[in-house]
Amino acid sequence: DVKVTQSSRYLVKRTGEKVFLECVQDMDHENMFWYRQDPGLGLRLIYFSYDVKMKEKGDIPEGYSVSREKKERFSLILESASTNQTSMYLCASSLSSGRASEQFFGPGTRLTVL
Amino acid sequence: AQTVTQSQPEMSVQEAETVTLSCTYDTSENNYYLFWYKQPPSRQMILVIRQEAYKQQNATENRFSVNFQKAAKSFSLKISDSQLGDTAMYFCAFMNQNQGGKLIFGQGTELSVKP
Repeated sequence: DVKVTQSSRYLVKRTGEKVFLECVQDMDHENMFWYRQDPGLGLRLIYFSYDVKMKEKGDIPEGYSVSREKKERFSLILESASTNQTSMYLCASSLSSGRASEQFFGPGTRLTVL
Repeated sequence: AQTVTQSQPEMSVQEAETVTLSCTYDTSENNYYLFWYKQPPSRQMILVIRQEAYKQQNATENRFSVNFQKAAKSFSLKISDSQLGDTAMYFCAFMNQNQGGKLIFGQGTELSVKP
């Protein structure tokens, strides 16, 4: 079974802190994604990566950056956390962008910024 | 830009009955895929069913089926013989074949199955 894991289920940070959210997948997937999930808005794509060291902005990249140094790991970075970044963050991975590959999701990290 | 709309924020159904969740989307593309994902309370999101736009036949997975109306840009999910374990948030999602596997999600419908 594909497994996507995220470093924390719950995280509380203070405004201005630098925050790292880690995601690891164990199925050699090429694509990895970071979404944030907010009530009434569904999931919105922050960044995605289709290969090591490659990244592309999604729909809401402002205030975020990402890093993919190894194929299995995709990190989301909040350079200076703000209260409007309080949200549920979901990581996902998929095999290939060349076809309609199913995305496999991690359990999510619920981030609260005080 | 593509958009996905789920107009039912919450729905409920009695156990063993049938329920239909609505989804509409907007795109000018011809080659795309549509998905329904399920997010149970405090559990990971999983794929329920997938439909290729070029296929006229509606996809079916056990108790789950879709009604895909391409001209109307409608993609509803029917759950037959509802079970308590179907209680979850359901998301409709769109993928353009030429956009690197990116998904565009609707707002979600929270479904409660009542005993």
